[in-house]
Amino acid sequence: EPEVTQTPSHQVTQMGQEVILRCVPISNHLYFYWYRQILGQKVEFLVSFYNNEISEKSEIFDDQFSVERPDGSNFTLKIRSTKLEDSAMYFCASSALSRGTSYEQYFGPGTRLTVT
Amino acid sequence: DQQVKQNSPSLSVQEGRISILNCDYTNSMFDYFLWYKKYPAEGPTFLISISSIKDKNEDGRFTVFLNKSAKHLSLHIVPSQPGDSAVYFCAATGDSSYKLIFGSGTRLLVRP
Repeated sequence: EPEVTQTPSHQVTQMGQEVILRCVPISNHLYFYWYRQILGQKVEFLVSFYNNEISEKSEIFDDQFSVERPDGSNFTLKIRSTKLEDSAMYFCASSALSRGTSYEQYFGPGTRLTVT
Repeated sequence: DQQVKQNSPSLSVQEGRISILNCDYTNSMFDYFLWYKKYPAEGPTFLISISSIKDKNEDGRFTVFLNKSAKHLSLHIVPSQPGDSAVYFCAATGDSSYKLIFGSGTRLLVRP
């Protein structure tokens, strides 16, 4: 069964450093998302991406964050200058079709980001 | 942001019995609801969904009920199995957005 994959599973970085989290969405999916879950809190939406551009972003997704689909398979989340409060599980998700046909989003296993 | 609420942080049921997990929402513009299951150190796994034009959707042991007037949905698992023990999240989408708004989760323990 196709699945979303994410690398690395765990990333430790120092405050102020740049990190790139990588995701390979399900191959025939068109919409891509990043969510995060801070320990003990809800899963929160960060950004959605369609047709090579951001379609929606949350207030969390400030100028320190960016997303990219550098090739036909990868989808990345970059944090330019990490802060302690960026420590969280980051989940990538993808969905197949446009609204009105399939809303289900399929999640990867997550990357645990620890900022020290 | 309390648009989606799961008021029971945990639930314990006996194997073979019914598990009922509840979820409330406040935004009347939500038109699609989903349930996800999550094991520790894994991502959420899609279980079942329901559109706001329906009041029930069934898939094997899992049934989701939607009461739009009460802004309430529930997930029924019958019969419950020990392997169902996990955290269950309800999520909603709509209001011209694709993003999922998650509840805080309910930890289900199914006792053998």
